[in-house]
Amino acid sequence: AQTVTQSQPEMSVQEAETVTLSCTYDTSESDYYLFWYKQPPSRQMILVIRQEAYKQQNATENRFSVNFQKAAKSFSLKISDSQLGDAAMYFCAYRTLFSGGYNKLIFGAGTRLAVHP
Amino acid sequence: GAGVSQSPRYKVAKRGQDVALRCDPISGHVSLFWYQQALGQGPEFLTYFQNEAQLDKSGLPSDRFFAERPEGSVSTLKIQRTQQEDSAVYLCASSLDETGLGYTFGSGTRLTVV
Repeated sequence: AQTVTQSQPEMSVQEAETVTLSCTYDTSESDYYLFWYKQPPSRQMILVIRQEAYKQQNATENRFSVNFQKAAKSFSLKISDSQLGDAAMYFCAYRTLFSGGYNKLIFGAGTRLAVHP
Repeated sequence: GAGVSQSPRYKVAKRGQDVALRCDPISGHVSLFWYQQALGQGPEFLTYFQNEAQLDKSGLPSDRFFAERPEGSVSTLKIQRTQQEDSAVYLCASSLDETGLGYTFGSGTRLTVV
């Protein structure tokens, strides 16, 4: 069974600085998807970034980028130029590539990010 | 609608009471998922629908939990004889196709069992 581990329950960063959130996972599959989701107090999960395991190039979305290390099963999220609106819970998630009705997301326990002005 | 709508936003139930949580997905979305998020934890998968067919209910924690999507649109998650351990946020997500890649989540229902 696949598992996702986020070892940092809480992180903090100064506005305009850079922060990295860690995520490791365990799987025997060779092809899969990895995601970072943001959950603000409104509770709605918002997709931040997605990485396909078969792509070697790290995904980037504006100020958000990932460091995907497939051999190490590591998938960290870097937030550059942090903004007050980035404060939220961040969840790392795994999904198998092949769907057959079993395309659920497996989430880590989350990291609470505080942004200080 | 423009997004996934869940109701009620908050629900307080007395232990032993039955509850029904509603999810109204984005119109035309084929896939619908329910997740349970305990306090301070990540969401955990409960069940998956493709149109009206419930293809995976492996995450439902007990036979007190039941989900349906009779016409392939609105879904209801029902919990019978609620227990304190059922207290959690229940999230619904929908996706346009059967791959379930492009999830859109609702804002969830926070259930508190007292």
